[in-house]
Amino acid sequence: DTGVSQDPRHKITKRGQNVTFRCDPISEHNRLYWYRQTLGQGPEFLTYFQNEAQLEKSRLLSDRFSAERPKGSFSTLEIQRTEQGDSAMYLCASSFWAPTDYEQYFGPGTRLTVT
Amino acid sequence: AQTVTQSQPEMSVQEAETVTLSCTYDTSESDYYLFWYKQPPSRQMILVIRQEAYKQQNATENRFSVNFQKAAKSFSLKISDSQLGDAAMYFCAYSNGGSQGNLIFGKGTKLSVKP
Repeated sequence: DTGVSQDPRHKITKRGQNVTFRCDPISEHNRLYWYRQTLGQGPEFLTYFQNEAQLEKSRLLSDRFSAERPKGSFSTLEIQRTEQGDSAMYLCASSFWAPTDYEQYFGPGTRLTVT
Repeated sequence: AQTVTQSQPEMSVQEAETVTLSCTYDTSESDYYLFWYKQPPSRQMILVIRQEAYKQQNATENRFSVNFQKAAKSFSLKISDSQLGDAAMYFCAYSNGGSQGNLIFGKGTKLSVKP
């Protein structure tokens, strides 16, 4: 088990460009979460999937953000027309959800800088 | 809406000593879970300890223990015999019970360990 991986680890982009991040969860995990963490703050929930279904989206997830999890495996988070306020660490976490098993395992994150 | 508050932005402890990090939360739910996560510098977040709200007994994991005061909505973390490797950001987090699962984090406490 290699843990949760995220790619790229760092991304610098110009305002107005589109970016896409990838998250590969732990293989047997059925849930996948996206969080955003800005400097000096705790992570904030963006959205989560159970298998391939996107079950909840936060109000933080504006219409410029879209997430997918085709076939219930890896997930992508796309940000269109990036803004400077999008600069943050984007964290992915996965879990095997069951009533008594709910630990989320986090990836190393993708740090986005919008110039 | 649920909230998590960590009132200590920074804490410091001498190696081998004990330190307590504070966390309060607000919820109207009766079924929920509480967590402490550790985020070392430039490394991924890992779960330190968790507490189910329905359990009266405080959780313990080796040198880490919690003081869960349900009526006061308080969930503090005690680190005994502090080690240099304990230096990190510590985040208190809340999750509703049931099927939802997303975490709500506090702003974190930066713990420094002095040799």
